Amino acid sequence: QTVVTQEPSFSVSPGGTVTLTCGLSSGSVSTSYYPTWYQQTPGQAPRTLIYNTNTRSSGVPDRFSGSILGNKAALTITGAQADDESDYYCVLYMGSGISVFGGGTQLTVL
Amino acid sequence: EVQLVESGGALVQPGGSLRLSCAASGFTVSSNYMSWVRQAPGKGLEWVSIIYSGGSTYYVDSVKGRFTISRDNSKNTVYLQMNSLRPEDTAVYYCAVCGGDSYYYYMAVWGKGTTVTVSS
Repeated sequence: QTVVTQEPSFSVSPGGTVTLTCGLSSGSVSTSYYPTWYQQTPGQAPRTLIYNTNTRSSGVPDRFSGSILGNKAALTITGAQADDESDYYCVLYMGSGISVFGGGTQLTVL
Repeated sequence: EVQLVESGGALVQPGGSLRLSCAASGFTVSSNYMSWVRQAPGKGLEWVSIIYSGGSTYYVDSVKGRFTISRDNSKNTVYLQMNSLRPEDTAVYYCAVCGGDSYYYYMAVWGKGTTVTVSS
């Protein structure tokens, strides 16, 4: 069974830069998995940030960026702000209609 | 403006059935891929099912044979029929319209969700 891995938690200082990653329990993440990133605050629906590895969704500030770093997908937040404190989820498209979410990263800005 | 409104969530006993609805506006359901994603209390997001514009359907293994995704083009609505419900199906269920192309999809715009509780 494919498991998508994310750091359970991360912290960043206001104004700082943080990179969250999205990996596979077996194998490497590449652009062929079309990584997508979502932001979710408690009680709210997810918000699409990045799709197809590095394309920002409409209205998403350019301080959010996506990439492949080594064998993982990555979401980098540059100049973190207080309202970036959220849960972040990645999704990988496995083919044959199937998508798999990572377990999510709880980001604290302090 | 693209909008999705889920409904149909309720408290249901184990083994029971429920049908969730996702009413869409601002776009045509039949021309898009439509997906359901769920989130158990205090847990992460889990992809559940998708229906392609061509009608093909796919499911996460844990719901195969129990859940059925469908759509009514005349009502511009997508459904998730859930049978043989288990306590572990308890979650907020989100509907999403997908973007992408012929090679992949992603959940682009989300509804606010509807809550399903399976408990005796």
